[in-house]
Amino acid sequence: DGGITQSPKYLFRKEGQNVTLSCEQNLNHDAMYWYRQDPGQGLRLIYYSQIVNDFQKGDIAEGYSVSREKKESFPLTVTSAQKNPTAFYLCASSIPGQGIRRMNNSPLHFGNGTRLTVT
Amino acid sequence: KNEVEQSPQNLTAQEGEFITINCSYSVGISALHWLQQHPGGGIVSLFMLSSGKKKHGRLIATINIQEKHSSLHITASHPRDSAVYICAVIPYMDSNYQLIWGAGTKLIIKP
Repeated sequence: DGGITQSPKYLFRKEGQNVTLSCEQNLNHDAMYWYRQDPGQGLRLIYYSQIVNDFQKGDIAEGYSVSREKKESFPLTVTSAQKNPTAFYLCASSIPGQGIRRMNNSPLHFGNGTRLTVT
Repeated sequence: KNEVEQSPQNLTAQEGEFITINCSYSVGISALHWLQQHPGGGIVSLFMLSSGKKKHGRLIATINIQEKHSSLHITASHPRDSAVYICAVIPYMDSNYQLIWGAGTKLIIKP
C-alpha cells in the first residue's frame, strides 16, 4: 500500500543536540511538506519541496533544515538553534500542479507524525 | 485575528446525534479542505471543495463562498468519529498554493 512513513513516532533529545526526523513516501508524489503542530494552534509550514533538489522555506523555517536528494525522502533536521523544538511534526506529500485546478484532484497525504520532546 | 476560525473548539455529543462543525475564513480562497486527525496523530483528508456540497458516507461538507463559511456535518455520529476535525484554505492569490490552517475542533462522541 502506498503511503507516507515517519519515524520514529516518539523522539527524545537533550537540549543543544541536533535531531533528524525521517519522512519517506512511496506515492510517487513530487511535492513534500513539513508541518509543526502545537496545542491549540493550526499547523504551521516549516519547509516544502516541489521537486527533487529544490526546497523553500515556509513560515517558521528558522532553526530547521531539510534536504531533498531523492523523490521519496524529505528528512527534517531540528537544529540546536530552534528555540522551542518540542512539538508534533507532520510530513505530507501531494502532486503539485499548475494553477488553481491542482487542488481539485490532489489532496495532501500525511504521515502519522513524530512527537519530539527536548529537555 | 486568525484568518481561519473554527467553532466550536471542543464538542462532546452522544452517539447518534447530528454534528455540525463550522469554519469561517477571511481571505478569498480557491479551495477549502476538511481533514480528520486521529487520536494517534495521523491526518486524513476528508473533502476538498470550492463550491456547493460534497457527501461521503455519513459526512457532508458544504461551503458558501460569498459568506466565507463552510460546515462539516456528521449524521448518526458514532464513537469512532471522535477525532480532531481541521479546516484549511488555499488563499486565492497565493502563488504557492499553501494552506492556511484552522486550529481544529476536538469532537468526542460518547456511547
